[in-house]
Amino acid sequence: DSGVTQTPKHLITATGQRVTLRCSPRSGDLSVYWYQQSLDQGLQFLIQYYNGEERAKGNILERFSAQQFPDLHSELNLSSLELGDSALYFCASSVAPQFGEQFFGPGTRLTVL
Amino acid sequence: AQTVTQSQPEMSVQEAETVTLSCTYDTSESDYYLFWYKQPPSRQMILVIRQEAYKQQNATENRFSVNFQKAAKSFSLKISDSQLGDAAMYFCAYRSATGTSGTYKYIFGTGTRLKVLA
Repeated sequence: DSGVTQTPKHLITATGQRVTLRCSPRSGDLSVYWYQQSLDQGLQFLIQYYNGEERAKGNILERFSAQQFPDLHSELNLSSLELGDSALYFCASSVAPQFGEQFFGPGTRLTVL
Repeated sequence: AQTVTQSQPEMSVQEAETVTLSCTYDTSESDYYLFWYKQPPSRQMILVIRQEAYKQQNATENRFSVNFQKAAKSFSLKISDSQLGDAAMYFCAYRSATGTSGTYKYIFGTGTRLKVLA
């Protein structure tokens, strides 16, 4: 158990809908990262937050947005969902950006029908 | 821009044998971190080992060790005494040690699927 929690574990929804994925970082970790992993693919970095502020953006679609709240939990919002958005979405945290490793949550599996 | 390449989509190893997974990367930076993550069928991402670029000594964690060749930009993972539980997808990852305004993106390779044969 990495200490990073993500809810829900599974999410099934229809095209055009909007969903919110939630992540709680490890206690004391200030930095949160979101990744997308499509079936049998590598990890695509989406976005990073540090202590409530956006710090880096990767290949995140305009239909997707995220935020980190004062209690450091983070939410990833996915809207106007398409079939191709079906993937495993990971959240990871680290103490601060200058420390090396990040620890991953168990992921949220999103299925868009 | 930095890139990470894992040229072996799949590898197989006999139980109790040794296997080496390859990773090469491209960067113009001198200070960075390299990691190997394991993703078993449960899909959980598990940190296996890390290496700081400024350290010449290769990192070791029990049966896992790396061969870090900074000049060649190579970072291979050696698994000794392979066990059935080692079967997983292995991802190599890069992260710069410095960033502008705290921007520290991680770059992952495409992964190598390791099969362990009984």
